Amino acid sequence: GENVEQHPSTLSVQEGDSAVIKCTYSDSASNYFPWYKQELGKRPQLIIDIRSNVGEKKDQRIAVTLNKTAKHFSLHITETQPEDSAVYFCAASMNSGGYQKVTFGIGTKLQVIP
Amino acid sequence: DGGITQSPKYLFRKEGQNVTLSCEQNLNHDAMYWYRQDPGQGLRLIYYSQIVNDFQKGDIAEGYSVSREKKESFPLTVTSAQKNPTAFYLCASKTQGTESPLHFGNGTRLTVT
Repeated sequence: GENVEQHPSTLSVQEGDSAVIKCTYSDSASNYFPWYKQELGKRPQLIIDIRSNVGEKKDQRIAVTLNKTAKHFSLHITETQPEDSAVYFCAASMNSGGYQKVTFGIGTKLQVIP
Repeated sequence: DGGITQSPKYLFRKEGQNVTLSCEQNLNHDAMYWYRQDPGQGLRLIYYSQIVNDFQKGDIAEGYSVSREKKESFPLTVTSAQKNPTAFYLCASKTQGTESPLHFGNGTRLTVT
């Protein structure tokens, strides 16, 4: 089955600096890669996603890159703000026997220091 | 107001008792999922369902059971066979097709003593 590895597990940055979170996946059949943000005590919410036919996608201060050959994708947050502090999860989605299986990484706890 | 409702928010049970967590969605989504969240282990897939009356085991299905009698509902039963049931449980749903995101409920925190 699919295996998604995510690192680092924790990340502290100064406000205004950039943050990068990296994920790798094992199954080349995965074709959709969403990123979720989970604030303390709340549900995970989608912040950005990328499809396998796209190499990069940007939405304001957030960008995601995908390297299909190397099977890795990354989240980039620029000009970080205290409200960016949260746990971020990457995921890989694939069709498995007619079912759509979504596998998550272990999460990265991002702390933005004012 | 469309969304996914999980109830209750907090649940306490004695060891050896089965307990059922509720998940209801009014998003008209076909696919529904149950994940377990433990500190440092991310979200691990328990069961998922694509259509009514059909579901698949995820990566950690042992000690859990589900049913999908209605499109809107996907209850999860944590049985006494689950060795470490205390955790935060998240239900999610999505539309058909791999290229669509999951929508999560607010979760149920289960504590078994």
